[in-house]
Amino acid sequence: NAGVMQNPRHLVRRRGQEARLRCSPVKGHSHVYWYRQLPEEGLKFMVYLQKENIIDESGMPKERFSAEFPKEGPSILRIQQVVRGDSAAYFCASSPRRQGGNEQFFGPGTRLTVL
Amino acid sequence: KNEVEQSPQNLTAQEGEFITINCSYSVGISALHWLQQHPGGGIVSLFMLSSGKKKHGRLIATINIQEKHSSLHITASHPRDSAVYICAVPFNTDKLIFGTGTRLQVFP
Repeated sequence: NAGVMQNPRHLVRRRGQEARLRCSPVKGHSHVYWYRQLPEEGLKFMVYLQKENIIDESGMPKERFSAEFPKEGPSILRIQQVVRGDSAAYFCASSPRRQGGNEQFFGPGTRLTVL
Repeated sequence: KNEVEQSPQNLTAQEGEFITINCSYSVGISALHWLQQHPGGGIVSLFMLSSGKKKHGRLIATINIQEKHSSLHITASHPRDSAVYICAVPFNTDKLIFGTGTRLQVFP
C-alpha cells in the first residue's frame, strides 16, 4: 500500500508567483489535514478537508491561501502571490475517517522556498 | 499557555542510556500521538494511545488521562534514535495540536 504522497518535494518560487502543493492520501482515506512547519518552529494546523468539503480552515491565513480536495484526484493547497514568510515545510496527513482515535498518516512534506 | 507542553526541549545522551520525554496537555482528548521527525524532515507516527501503555521495540509510550500526561521512553538508546520527538493531541475537529518537540541527540 502506498502511503501519503506529496509533490513536489521541493518547490522554489519567486515572490509574487503561485505555489501549488499536492497531496494524495492513503488509498481509501477520505480525510486530509494540512499542516505547516515554519523554520525552527513547530507544526501548526492549517486546514481539514473531506472529499469536496472544507471542514475546518481555522488555521489558514485569511488571504492568498486556499485548499481543495475534489471528488477525484489529490488535495491541493494553493498559495497565491507568495511572500518570503511562506517559506516552510507543508505536510499533509490522511485518516480513514474522522479521527477520534484514528491514526493520521503523514506525507513526506513539500519544502517551499520563496526567493 | 500552550495546550501541549513538552520537556525537555533538548536532550543529549550517550548510546545505551534510557531516555524519557514528557508531554502534558490541557485539553480533553480521545488519544495522544507520538511522532518522530528526522533531519531532512519526514514525520513518522510512532504511537497513538488513549490509555495505559504501548510498546514497540525499544520504544514505550505511557499515558495518564487523569493527570493529562504522557511519556515516551527509549531503552538502550542508539545514535539512529537522534531525531525530534513530537507529541500531538486531537482537538475540536480532530486537527492535531503539536508540542514544540524534543530534540534528541544520542552520541556513540
